[in-house]
Amino acid sequence: AQTVTQSQPEMSVQEAETVTLSCTYDTSESDYYLFWYKQPPSRQMILVIRQEAYKQQNATENRFSVNFQKAAKSFSLKISDSQLGDAAMYFCAYRSARGGSEKLVFGKGTKLTVNP
Amino acid sequence: DAGVTQSPTHLIKTRGQQVTLRCSPKSGHDTVSWYQQALGQGPQFIFQYYEEEERQRGNFPDRFSGHQFPNYSSELNVNALLLGDSALYLCASSLRRQHYEQYFGPGTRLTVT
Repeated sequence: AQTVTQSQPEMSVQEAETVTLSCTYDTSESDYYLFWYKQPPSRQMILVIRQEAYKQQNATENRFSVNFQKAAKSFSLKISDSQLGDAAMYFCAYRSARGGSEKLVFGKGTKLTVNP
Repeated sequence: DAGVTQSPTHLIKTRGQQVTLRCSPKSGHDTVSWYQQALGQGPQFIFQYYEEEERQRGNFPDRFSGHQFPNYSSELNVNALLLGDSALYLCASSLRRQHYEQYFGPGTRLTVT
């Protein structure tokens, strides 16, 4: 069974600074997807960024980028130029690419605080 | 374009009772997944419905059951409620042929007393 570990229960960053959230995962599969989801205090989970395991290039979405290290099974999220609206719980998630296996496996999350 | 909607927003039930939660998927989506998120934890997969059938199930007892309707909306039923069933229940929708992206609803907060 796949597992996702987020070792940082809480992180804080100053507004306009950069922060990196860590995630490791365990799987025996070679083809899969990895995600970072953001859950603000209002609760609705929002997809931040997605990485396909077969792609060597790290995904980037505006101020959000990932460092995907497949051999190390590591998938960190970097937030540049942090804004107050970035404050939320961030969840790392794994999804198999195998047909019929579409469940997301989540880590326990990292609470990000952005200080003005 | 309406996103994923869930009802009710909050619910308080007594131990032993039964509850039904509802989800309407994002327009154009045909697959619905349900997750349980206990306080301070990440969501845990309950099950997924596609073409009105349960396609995949997580490690949840048979007290948890579901249904998908022809319009793709879905219900989650929980029987014989336990205190430990208190959680945020999230519905996520996706399009089967776009395997990777799931859109989440705001959730239903269930409290069992």
